[in-house]
Amino acid sequence: SQTIHQWPATLVQPVGSPLSLECTVEGTSNPNLYWYRQAAGRGLQLLFYSVGIGQISSEVPQNLSASRPQDRQFILSSKKLLLSDSGFYLCAWRRVGELFFGEGSRLTVL
Amino acid sequence: QKEVEQNSGPLSVPEGAIASLNCTYSDRGSQSFFWYRQYSGKSPELIMFIYSNGDKEDGRFTAQLNKASQYVSLLIRDSQPSDSATYLCAVTGYALNFGKGTSLLVTP
Repeated sequence: SQTIHQWPATLVQPVGSPLSLECTVEGTSNPNLYWYRQAAGRGLQLLFYSVGIGQISSEVPQNLSASRPQDRQFILSSKKLLLSDSGFYLCAWRRVGELFFGEGSRLTVL
Repeated sequence: QKEVEQNSGPLSVPEGAIASLNCTYSDRGSQSFFWYRQYSGKSPELIMFIYSNGDKEDGRFTAQLNKASQYVSLLIRDSQPSDSATYLCAVTGYALNFGKGTSLLVTP
């Protein structure tokens, strides 16, 4: 069966520090992968999606970036975090129409 | 902008009652509709999906879709305290577009 893992689960970072969140999928090949963010009081916001290695589409221009160095690996990064980057970051993969989420990474920027 | 609208709630129902959660969407071209449940501090989990007009039942859950009215709902029969969570409606695009969710509280 397919599983999706994210890490770290929780992190607290100062403003201006870098960020790296990692997501890996097991049990499937060439998955469509997504990064969403859920900020307090807001809905799930699509940040990036990828249909294959090196193929990244950005939904929201901001100080975040994404990379897909391997088929089942999706990384979310930032060079300098802002306070507004705080939130619950969710990686997801898509099977047919359905979206399945990882456990999430909760980021607090202070 | 493809909008998915939900009443934020909270919706409070007594244990054993039917909970009715509603969602409207703006994109008439949407083909697939999903309901997710999200417990506090956890990631969303898929409850069910519906593609065709009408009702679709899965255990205590029934999804209802009316494409002409751009309306999708989720009914939870015999509500249990463990159903207390936020319910997210999602509509297909190249990704899924989510509503902000409705908070449901089932009181014993």
